[in-house]
Amino acid sequence: GQNIDQPTEMTATEGAIVQINCTYQTSGFNGLFWYQQHAGEAPTFLSYNVLDGLEEKGRFSSFLSRSKGYSYLLLKELQMKDSASYLCAVRDGGKGGGNKLTFGTGTQLKVEL
Amino acid sequence: EAGVTQFPSHSVIEKGQTVTLRCDPISGHDNLYWYRRVMGKEIKFLLHFVKESKQDESGMPNNRFLAERTGGTYSTLKVQPAELEDSGVYFCASSQPDWSSYNEQFFGPGTRLTVL
Repeated sequence: GQNIDQPTEMTATEGAIVQINCTYQTSGFNGLFWYQQHAGEAPTFLSYNVLDGLEEKGRFSSFLSRSKGYSYLLLKELQMKDSASYLCAVRDGGKGGGNKLTFGTGTQLKVEL
Repeated sequence: EAGVTQFPSHSVIEKGQTVTLRCDPISGHDNLYWYRRVMGKEIKFLLHFVKESKQDESGMPNNRFLAERTGGTYSTLKVQPAELEDSGVYFCASSQPDWSSYNEQFFGPGTRLTVL
């Protein structure tokens, strides 16, 4: 089966660094995505990992360890506008469903002054 | 470049009625997906089109749901007859042909369906 776990909520301070963890157990794997979603809006793409290691993109970085079924999203220099839900999603690598995404429930991040 | 658009943004219907949701993907995107988020749960996959063909419909909950993508452009998702448990936010996403880089999916803003 497919199982993706991430914390439900996190709170951090403006200007700080926060790490959102995601663990997964899926029958197929063809990449892991992080999306940001503000309330009432579309999820927007943040990062993609398919090989082990760290991918850096401005204030956001994402890490993947395939052997451990583990990823994290690192947000630096937090801003108030970073308050949102962060969704971890694994792309299925299986036959016939090579592109579908399996999502975690999302981590609601609140950035405070 | 216009993003993925969905219509309507909200729909409130009574149990037993029919509702049709529409998705217009980004131009040139062969792949089109439907997902659903029921309150308090994760976003779940419903089905995947490649152009006009259904590639994977393993997530469709039952035969009250019918998705079409005639001509390989926009797609519709019809729920007939609607039940209370169909309430949720229905997202559409699209992505480029499979040969492109990491093939991220671009999501629309969703249609919030409420069945009373």
